[in-house]
Amino acid sequence: QVQLQESGPGLVKPSETLSLTCTVSGASMTNYFWSWIRQPPGKGLEWIGYMFHSGTTTSNPSLKSRVTMSVDTSKSQFSLKLTSVTAADTAVYYCAREAGRLVDYWGQGTLVTVSS
Amino acid sequence: DVVMTQTPLSLSVTPGQPASISCRSSQSLLHSDGKTYLSWYLHKPGQPPQLLIYKVSNRFSGVPDRFSGDGSGTDFTLKISRVEAEDVGVYYCMQSIELPLMCSFGQGTKLEIK
Repeated sequence: QVQLQESGPGLVKPSETLSLTCTVSGASMTNYFWSWIRQPPGKGLEWIGYMFHSGTTTSNPSLKSRVTMSVDTSKSQFSLKLTSVTAADTAVYYCAREAGRLVDYWGQGTLVTVSS
Repeated sequence: DVVMTQTPLSLSVTPGQPASISCRSSQSLLHSDGKTYLSWYLHKPGQPPQLLIYKVSNRFSGVPDRFSGDGSGTDFTLKISRVEAEDVGVYYCMQSIELPLMCSFGQGTKLEIK
């Protein structure tokens, strides 16, 4: 059973960096893309970006300059950093697995609030 | 960028009745490999989204057969043959054809039970 679990601070101050980690269990990280997707309150889903197990990454152009993603296959973890956050970055952040251009497994999601 | 447009944005359905959601993309989702990369997700309250349909019409493991998908090119439809109370939530279509791989979702369609 593939499981993903997000972890990280639930509160981040404006202009600071949001950092989240996703721990994967029940599956190897090789040969899959590992994604971050978010949902602001009252809004729809927004794809943030993904990374391959090799470290190759692609991110949403609207966020690209602020997004850094990394993977540590030895720990079965991948991470997201979003710099210079504002209130508009308040959202439930999901980590997920992409396989064959579909998202088949999702974490439970973690709410990150940007506020001073 | 590929823009996904869903209609309607909300619908209210009596249990046992059918439901249909449309999704239109701003460009064809037919890949050069011959496959069409359109998937459907259901986001139930308090849960992460779950995959229902992938590559237009393939049901994911465990998805009831009352859910079906069809379409081609830029126009796609998710159908529920007989809506049940557990089907409430927000339905999203997602494209994954852009290169380098980038995904985008429709605005979502909220399904409620009458």
